[in-house]
Amino acid sequence: QVQLQQSGPGLVKPSQTLSLTCAISGDSVSSNRAAWNWIRQSPSRGLEWLGRTYYKSKWYNDYALSVKSRITINPDTSKNQFSLQLDSVTPEDTAVYYCARVKSGSSGWFNGGMDVWGQGTTVTVSS
Amino acid sequence: DIQMTQSPSSLSASVGDRVTITCRASEDISNFLNWYQQRPGKAPKLLIYAASTLQSGVPSRFSGSGSGTDFTLTISSLQPEDFVTYYCQQSHSTPRTFGQGTELEI
Repeated sequence: QVQLQQSGPGLVKPSQTLSLTCAISGDSVSSNRAAWNWIRQSPSRGLEWLGRTYYKSKWYNDYALSVKSRITINPDTSKNQFSLQLDSVTPEDTAVYYCARVKSGSSGWFNGGMDVWGQGTTVTVSS
Repeated sequence: DIQMTQSPSSLSASVGDRVTITCRASEDISNFLNWYQQRPGKAPKLLIYAASTLQSGVPSRFSGSGSGTDFTLTISSLQPEDFVTYYCQQSHSTPRTFGQGTELEI
């Protein structure tokens, strides 16, 4: 069965970079039948999709406009994982961060639900 | 961005009741609508995808319907473990967006 295991620091200082990793077991980050997503949740913003990476003959990324200038999602095929980097964080980036998988449907595209989630990482931005 | 609006924000009900939660999209999303259940301190769990398809392992008392802009999640006979929070999410276009949630209270 597919599992996602998140790791990374729970405390980040303002203006620094938030870095989280999501290790995949039971599937492959290079699969052309899955997209790998980052989502965060806070009381003020609710559930907010941040972006995704997926492989279809080459690597693709999509990012939310709200973080597009600060975010990078990278696959790591050697470790079968993917990462989130969010630069220049502020206290507004304080949230629980999740990674999640979306499988491709019959169309070959990723229009389904997020069926596997990581355990969540609480990240606080504070000096 | 496509805005997802859930109603109600909270709902009081009793064990055995039938309840319906509504989700409205700000534009036509066909059937690209998913429902999640979230327990306190846990990640969301996928209940229904493609508006009406039950995710494997989810009890049959959960059902979904709708297309276009209007969708519903129905729980036919509430069980004690169902009194948590539910979210809708569109997967028609990026950015993916979620509703604000509906908290089911006993």
